[in-house]
Order: sequence, then C-alpha cells, then structure tokens
Amino acid sequence: TQLLEQSPQFLSIQEGENLTVYCNSSSVFSSLQWYRQEPGEGPVLLVTVVTGGEVKKLKRLTFQFGDARKDSSLHITAAQPGDTGLYLCAGEDGNKLVFGAGTILRVKS
Amino acid sequence: KAGVTQTPRYLIKTRGQQVTLSCSPISGHRSVSWYQQTPGQGLQFLFEYFSETQRNKGNFPGRFSGRQFSNSRSEMNVSTLELGDSALYLCASSLGPTGRGANEKLFFGSGTQLSVL
Repeated sequence: TQLLEQSPQFLSIQEGENLTVYCNSSSVFSSLQWYRQEPGEGPVLLVTVVTGGEVKKLKRLTFQFGDARKDSSLHITAAQPGDTGLYLCAGEDGNKLVFGAGTILRVKS
Repeated sequence: KAGVTQTPRYLIKTRGQQVTLSCSPISGHRSVSWYQQTPGQGLQFLFEYFSETQRNKGNFPGRFSGRQFSNSRSEMNVSTLELGDSALYLCASSLGPTGRGANEKLFFGSGTQLSVL
C-alpha cells in the first residue's frame, strides 16, 4: 500500500497570512487529488493534478504536483476564515484511493 | 442534481449489536466507495462496489460487509460492534470505478456518525 504523508498536521494562522501544506510519498502516483472537509460534512474535491510539474490555480489556492509525481503542495494566499477545514490529499493505489491523514487549518479573524 | 445521501446521520449502538448504513449515490453514478474516518487513523478505505460487484476491499475484519443494489444504492453492515468501530462512515460515489488511472472524481456524502457504547 502506498502511503501519503501530510504536513503540517495542524496550522493556526491569522486572516490574511499565506500558507503551504504538503503531501509527500516515496511512491509515484499517476495523479493526486486534494479535498477540503468542513466539520460535519464529507470531503469535497478541490482539484486533481495529473502531470508532473503541473500547477493549477483555484482562486487563492495554488496546487502543484512534483516533477517526479511523488509529492504535491497546496498554497493558500491571503487566507480567510472560510478556508478553515481539513485538507486531504489522495492518490490512486491500484484499484482504490488512499488518503493522507490531513492538515487541519484554522484561520482566525 | 441531488448529492450523495447517507442515512441515518447519527447512530448510537451498544457493543455486540449490528448496524446497517445506507448510501444513495448521485443519479447516474454506478460506483460507491465506503470509508471509515477516525481522528487517529484518518480516512481508511473499506470497500468499493461497481455494478453490484465488490471491486476492492480494505484491511478490515469480516464483520464489515456491504452490498450494492441494481439501482446503485449501497448498504454497509457491521456485525458484533466493538467500541473501536465508533467513527464517521463516509460513502462516496463516482461515475465509474476508481483507481488504475481512471482519475474518477469522488463525491462524498455527509456521513453517518456511529457511536458504540
């Protein structure tokens, strides 16, 4: 089973700050997905990155897939309280998706 | 278009009992995956069903089982409940089966919060 490690586990920042969360593995993934989960809800897909070196932007969120397709990062610019949640990365491992443990982000106003 | 619906939303059971959770996927989606989410272990894959067939199963004991009906609705059953089964059980649907480069988008329900006392 391929493992995905996410860091940091927890991040508490002030509104307006920038942040980056990481998703790393020793294995190569054909693609990686990023999800955000809010309390009491299921995860919601934000983006899928497929090509090594790929960068995708979603408003203030920038996602990057490593050249070797073993790691990915999520950068948030000028974080807002609405960005608060659990951020999960997921990759295909054979016939299933495996998830990292997630990064809990708290943005204080 | 309605999203993924999971029932019940909350459930309280005692050790030794059994429980059945239900998941109705998005209309047209034929794949349903189940995950267990706990604070310590994160999201752990339970199993996936596609066209009424189990495609893959995670590392869970045989007490955890599931099935999918012809209308793609799925149920998950846990027998002889243990305290450690307390978790949020999430169901996700997708158009096609996941894995093997399919890059399928998963749509999750809000989950069933199971508490075992």
